[in-house]
Amino acid sequence: NAGVTQTPKFQVLKTGQSMTLQCAQDMNHEYMSWYRQDPGMGLRLIHYSVGAGITDQGEVPNGYNVSRSTTEDFPLRLLSAAPSQTSVYFCASESDYNTEAFFGQGTRLTVV
Amino acid sequence: GNSVTQMEGPVTLSEEAFLTINCTYTATGYPSLFWYVQYPGEGLQLLLKATKADDKGSNKGFEATYRKETTSFHLEKGSVQVSDSAVYFCAATGAGGTSYGKLTFGQGTILTVHP
Repeated sequence: NAGVTQTPKFQVLKTGQSMTLQCAQDMNHEYMSWYRQDPGMGLRLIHYSVGAGITDQGEVPNGYNVSRSTTEDFPLRLLSAAPSQTSVYFCASESDYNTEAFFGQGTRLTVV
Repeated sequence: GNSVTQMEGPVTLSEEAFLTINCTYTATGYPSLFWYVQYPGEGLQLLLKATKADDKGSNKGFEATYRKETTSFHLEKGSVQVSDSAVYFCAATGAGGTSYGKLTFGQGTILTVHP
């Protein structure tokens, strides 16, 4: 079982570049989320989706864009990368809000 | 919105020592509470959860009790092993308002267990 798959695992960007972090899940989960993990700050919610066509902002949405055209996929777009977006990004999915969240392995992004 | 606070600083223990990691929360309504664990180079995995007051979650020798009166969900283990070395995150799911359905995490606690 693949679970939640994130690509790429590592990425280096130059300031101002754009890119898309991919996330796919094969568990038919309605809920999907993107988090960033920074030292000493835990995980902070960037964007959130409760189903195809429905997205919502989290705690730190600025500089990021999402869309959800299918149940399986939830890509995260960086519009114009900044050094402050250097972080580890995790995608997660859940079958419902009170259930276990399944996480991908993460994408380590460095913006120089 | 919700907030979750974990004890400060890394924890270093000898094998077979007793572990406590404190976690307190503020939330609207009655959130569900979780402990997640992150092993080096991996994503987070659910360790245990509790969905209502006085519930006790348990898994792999770890326990935590949902204490509504003290808004706490402290993680405990009676005898830690080297393989328990990881980062532990306390989390709460919003139960109302704009936090509904969204996980809020504490800052994480690094646990290192020496032989």
